[in-house]
Amino acid sequence: GAGVSQSPRYKVAKRGQDVALRCDPISGHVSLFWYQQALGQGPEFLTYFQNEAQLDKSGLPSDRFFAERPEGSVSTLKIQRTQQEDSAVYLCASNPFPEAFFGQGTRLTVV
Amino acid sequence: GESVGLHLPTLSVQEGDNSIINCAYSNSASDYFIWYKQESGKGPQFIIDIRSNMDKRQGQRVTVLLNKTVKHLSLQIAATQPGDSAVYFCAENQFYFGTGTSLTVIP
Repeated sequence: GAGVSQSPRYKVAKRGQDVALRCDPISGHVSLFWYQQALGQGPEFLTYFQNEAQLDKSGLPSDRFFAERPEGSVSTLKIQRTQQEDSAVYLCASNPFPEAFFGQGTRLTVV
Repeated sequence: GESVGLHLPTLSVQEGDNSIINCAYSNSASDYFIWYKQESGKGPQFIIDIRSNMDKRQGQRVTVLLNKTVKHLSLQIAATQPGDSAVYFCAENQFYFGTGTSLTVIP
């Protein structure tokens, strides 16, 4: 596709459930970022990949959060044992520096 | 993380007027700053960036000013249109976003 694609678009999870969020970046983009955006707030950085290497994961809020990009293209953000405070929109962006292209995000609601 | 904040959470302007959105930052070592526009239900959209060694950069209908002395960044939108209504974020490098300013354009 022409843009960054994220799936699912919406996810409702029961507390304690594991979830996996997918990001398909623009083909050829080396850099990939994940962000968490709470309602009414700016995106908060979670983690950053360059190809398959995870260069920065300082923003991951706990060890329940895990991200991977095994072949340097598609990336998955996994959240284990989801909690209510994990409810947010999860955004993925890929770019040739410095312009970033964002997906529409996955809205995660933990009930 | 570093502090990137906005002075005003909301801004309303008349169609055709110029808009100015402000942003303060705290990390003087940042290499560049980026402005994004986010419409409801969509991901942020890149507008313009400015390197830390520049004071001003112009794009189509937009101008970004950087004042390193007071650690202040602004986005000026000329002849604001209804389609400019959105939330605007400044970001420090690719990592730190401000809270955002909601711009409403009144027809």
